[in-house]
Amino acid sequence: DAGITQSPRYKITETGRQVTLMCHQTWSHSYMFWYRQDLGHGLRLIYYSAAADITDKGEVPDGYVVSRSKTENFPLTLESATRSQTSVYFCASSGGQGAVIQYFGAGTRLSVL
Amino acid sequence: AQSVTQLGSHVSVSEGALVLLRCNYSSSVPPYLFWYVQYPNQGLQLLLKYTSAATLVKGINGFEAEFKKSETSFHLTKPSAHMSDAAEYFCAVSEGSGGGADGLTFGKGTHLIIQP
Repeated sequence: DAGITQSPRYKITETGRQVTLMCHQTWSHSYMFWYRQDLGHGLRLIYYSAAADITDKGEVPDGYVVSRSKTENFPLTLESATRSQTSVYFCASSGGQGAVIQYFGAGTRLSVL
Repeated sequence: AQSVTQLGSHVSVSEGALVLLRCNYSSSVPPYLFWYVQYPNQGLQLLLKYTSAATLVKGINGFEAEFKKSETSFHLTKPSAHMSDAAEYFCAVSEGSGGGADGLTFGKGTHLIIQP
């Protein structure tokens, strides 16, 4: 049971470059989420998706783009990376309405130089 | 809007002592509440959840939490700390359908240190 996997685990990039973080889940969960974790802020929701081709903004969406063409994948793209986007990014999934629990991936540590 | 406050960014206890991590929330509707634990370089693992059933909730690894509506609190406790409990702990709240369909709002986290 692979669960929810994120790739890469670590990434270093430069300001202005495009970066895509991948998230894949094997449970056929309908809902998927992207959070960023920063010291002193806990986790904050970036985007979420209720199903394929349905996405919505969270608390901190600026500078990020998401897509969901398949239920199992939910990539997060930084179109032009900035230093303020240096963070640890977590993907999560859940079964949706009534399912209550969100399951988290291991995270991607992104450094923007 | 919902929010979560975790009192104490760092809590240090001796091995075998009581663990108490504090969480207060604000919510305009009856909330769903969660405690997650994060070990170094890992994702978040659910410890326990409150979903409007029993107010005293038991979780994994000997942890429990009590929902107190009058105090808007959901404090996490464990009677006897173990070295393996050293980790970052997050309290989270969700309105609406209970977390499965909504983004969670997290507290800033409490780093639990266990002294030998």
